[in-house]
Amino acid sequence: IAGITQAPTSQILAAGRRMTLRCTQDMRHNAMYWYRQDLGLGLRLIHYSNTAGTTGKGEVPDGYSVSRTNTDDFPLTLASAVPSQTSVYFCASSPTGGDYGYTFGSGTRLTVV
Amino acid sequence: EDQVTQSPEALRLQEGESSSLNCSYTVSGLRGLFWYRQDPGKGPEFLFTLYSAGEEKEKERLKATLTKKESFLHITAPKPEDSATYLCAATNSGSRLTFGEGTQLTVNP
Repeated sequence: IAGITQAPTSQILAAGRRMTLRCTQDMRHNAMYWYRQDLGLGLRLIHYSNTAGTTGKGEVPDGYSVSRTNTDDFPLTLASAVPSQTSVYFCASSPTGGDYGYTFGSGTRLTVV
Repeated sequence: EDQVTQSPEALRLQEGESSSLNCSYTVSGLRGLFWYRQDPGKGPEFLFTLYSAGEEKEKERLKATLTKKESFLHITAPKPEDSATYLCAATNSGSRLTFGEGTQLTVNP
């Protein structure tokens, strides 16, 4: 089934630990995105990639890094997790830009303690 | 700065009681206005894209409309399975969407 796969589904992480959230799509979409969703704040863009080999910063990039070495994968890394990074993280993709909307993954629920 | 504001934050309806959700946007050079549905514990699911003022789109009990400043999601004779959070988003760059905070809809049987 075409779509976006995120892993893990959920994770409890000790503060200070490094963590990579995985995102893979099989739709050959050029653009990929990482959002975090927090109660009362909605979806906020962390990082994005318009095409393989390029990345950009979104609204809330601090403490996060991404890479896009191929079309299908877009991992998000927390170098040293802090409790304020407790959130639900969604990966999304679109064919080219956002004109056609996004396809979202099912999310990763991350708790930093 | 691009901004998308949704109202109300939460809405409770009885089954069959029609209503509308509002999405106001401040986006220069709008290229697309999107509506998504999100169920608890899941990612947002695409519903509609509207590109120009006056455009309307329908899907089952839902109809989305667009003016130059806002969009409405009309729900006609809702059923309990329509209960979800509805998200609105806008883009002017063709690359990144700005999302509203959503309206949590509950339809009671």
